[in-house]
Amino acid sequence: ETGVTQSPTHLIKTRGQQVTLRCSSQSGHNTVSWYQQALGQGPQFIFQYYREEENGRGNFPPRFSGLQFPNYSSELNVNALELDDSALYLCASSLNRERANYGYTFGSGTRLTVV
Amino acid sequence: DAKTTQPNSMESNEEEPVHLPCNHSTISGTDYIHWYRQLPSQGPEYVIHGLTSNVNNRMASLAIAEDRKSSTLILHRATLRDAAVYYCILRTRGGETSGSRLTFGEGTQLTVNP
Repeated sequence: ETGVTQSPTHLIKTRGQQVTLRCSSQSGHNTVSWYQQALGQGPQFIFQYYREEENGRGNFPPRFSGLQFPNYSSELNVNALELDDSALYLCASSLNRERANYGYTFGSGTRLTVV
Repeated sequence: DAKTTQPNSMESNEEEPVHLPCNHSTISGTDYIHWYRQLPSQGPEYVIHGLTSNVNNRMASLAIAEDRKSSTLILHRATLRDAAVYYCILRTRGGETSGSRLTFGEGTQLTVNP
């Protein structure tokens, strides 16, 4: 089975710009989540998608938005980039949105640098 | 989300067992205990999870205290490739609008000495 793939692996953007990050879920997984990981810290939950709808959101402003497609792949969009948005963005897929006894499969992340 | 407490760092020697502790005194009855690890320049990797009983898989063992207020991840023979940040996470069954998320803390940085 294929794992979670993210693209691009690295990205440099200018403050104020917009960015789209992409994620392909692990085969058979129907739930996708996005996390932001600043340097030296644990990942922070941004939001989760299930059946193409947002199904849970962390403490992130509305300029962080996402999409999930019928094939369960996903996009994370960030508008009006700020310097503090520089981080590793991780995508994770799982089989079930509700059950707590399933593990998540994470991608290797996209390293975003805002200058 | 219920909070977990882990030591910031631990050291081990190669081929020796490693016991990584985690305290979760506010755990609720529906919380599963999950462990993930993150190697340098990679995303977190699922290690193991459990509810009440001890669990074993090819990567590790999870020992859960009888009162469930603490747990220990056991790596039976540490290798250099086990050097990573290990996260202990309580995961609660989600609902229609909340889903089921992972709340990461700071984790334990495990160093394995040759």
